[in-house]
Amino acid sequence: GESVGLHLPTLSVQEGDNSIINCAYSNSASDYFIWYKQESGKGPQFIIDIRSNMDKRQGQRVTVLLNKTVKHLSLQIAATQPGDSAVYFCAENSGGGADGLTFGKGTHLIIQP
Amino acid sequence: GAVVSQHPSWVICKSGTSVKIECRSLDFQATTMFWYRQFPKQSLMLMATSNEGSKATYEQGVEKDKFLINHASLTLSTLTVTSAHPEDSSFYICSAEGQVSRYGYTFGSGTRLTVV
Repeated sequence: GESVGLHLPTLSVQEGDNSIINCAYSNSASDYFIWYKQESGKGPQFIIDIRSNMDKRQGQRVTVLLNKTVKHLSLQIAATQPGDSAVYFCAENSGGGADGLTFGKGTHLIIQP
Repeated sequence: GAVVSQHPSWVICKSGTSVKIECRSLDFQATTMFWYRQFPKQSLMLMATSNEGSKATYEQGVEKDKFLINHASLTLSTLTVTSAHPEDSSFYICSAEGQVSRYGYTFGSGTRLTVV
């Protein structure tokens, strides 16, 4: 079936560097995308979202890029900090609020001192 | 705002018994709640969607008679794992969607179920 996937399961970056986490999706009907951060033993924490009518959205230290042509989503984290260490998931939805989310496989971001 | 509370945070039960997990939206009315399951080092998988006052909709492969969902009010949904077995051990997470929630999907903190 259609799914959302990630290219890299683990990403290790130096503290202070920028990190980029990638995600590919296959459902062309997807119109809403969200990035979540999940720390061990906790529920997903919202980071940033983007709708299909946009190709870029910025938050505090984070930027999400959406390329609908190649069905690719990325999360950029600037000036990474130790607290950024977590598993990051992309998720997509194509049915509005009535439908649940389809999650990608997750990328474990490790921030090295 | 947009806080979802999940209880308990962890539970250990004996094989064959039933366990109930609660999901509450604390500061908004959740028209729809979702239940996910996450096995170790894996992603979240949607199990079912519940709407207040109606029967839950289950994803393919999820046994509705085993995972009973009740969405009795706009702020509470419960998931009951009936006749639990060790393979049901997992991290169960709920999320809620409500009209006043700033973020369309707010997640609870999850429940770690261990069946022994």
